[in-house]
Amino acid sequence: TQLLEQSPQFLSIQEGENLTVYCNSSSVFSSLQWYRQEPGEGPVLLVTVVTGGEVKKLKRLTFQFGDARKDSSLHITAAQPGDTGLYLCAGAASGSRLTFGEGTQLTVNP
Amino acid sequence: KAGVTQTPRYLIKTRGQQVTLSCSPISGHRSVSWYQQTPGQGLQFLFEYFSETQRNKGNFPGRFSGRQFSNSRSEMNVSTLELGDSALYLCASSLVTGGSFMNTEAFFGQGTRLTVV
Repeated sequence: TQLLEQSPQFLSIQEGENLTVYCNSSSVFSSLQWYRQEPGEGPVLLVTVVTGGEVKKLKRLTFQFGDARKDSSLHITAAQPGDTGLYLCAGAASGSRLTFGEGTQLTVNP
Repeated sequence: KAGVTQTPRYLIKTRGQQVTLSCSPISGHRSVSWYQQTPGQGLQFLFEYFSETQRNKGNFPGRFSGRQFSNSRSEMNVSTLELGDSALYLCASSLVTGGSFMNTEAFFGQGTRLTVV
C-alpha cells in the first residue's frame, strides 16, 4: 500500500510569513499533484510535477519534486489570507489512480 | 469549458437506504474517478471508469458500485447505507490521450455531501 505523509498537519501563520509543506513517501510516483481545497468544495488542481528534481513556480508558490520522485514540497512566499485552505498532495504510481496525503490546513491571519 | 458537475450537492438519507450520485465530466474527458473524503480518513479512492469499463477499484465493500455511460457520465451507488458512509463524495475527470493513463491530471467536482442518519 502506498502512503503519502504530509507535514505539518496544521499551520497557522501571520500574513507576510513564508511557509513550507512537505509530502513524503517510501514509494516512487510517476507524477505528483498539489491541490487546494476550501470548505464544502472539491480540490482545485494547482500543479503537476513529473520529472525528478523538477521545480515549478506559480506566482508566490514554488513546488519541487524530489530527485527520486518519492517526495515533494510546496513553499509559499509572503503568505496572504487568501492562501488559507487545505493543501493536499496526491501521487500517481501508475495510471490515474491518486493516493492522497492527509492534507495541511493552512490559516493565514491578517 | 464547463467543469466537473456533481449532483446533488447535498443529500440526507436514513440507514439502510440506498443512494445514487451523478457526475458529468469535463467535455472530452473519458476517465472518471470517485473518491470518498472524511475527516478521519482523508481522500480515499473508490473506483475509476474509462470507456464504460471499471479500470481500477479501491478497498471498499461491495455496497459501493458505479457505472459509466457512453457519454462518459458516471454514477455511483451505495446500498444499505451505514452511518459511516457519511462523507463528501468527489468525482474527478481526466483527459486520457493516446490510451496512456500516465501523468494524467485529475479535475474535481464540488462533491456531494452525503449525511446518513
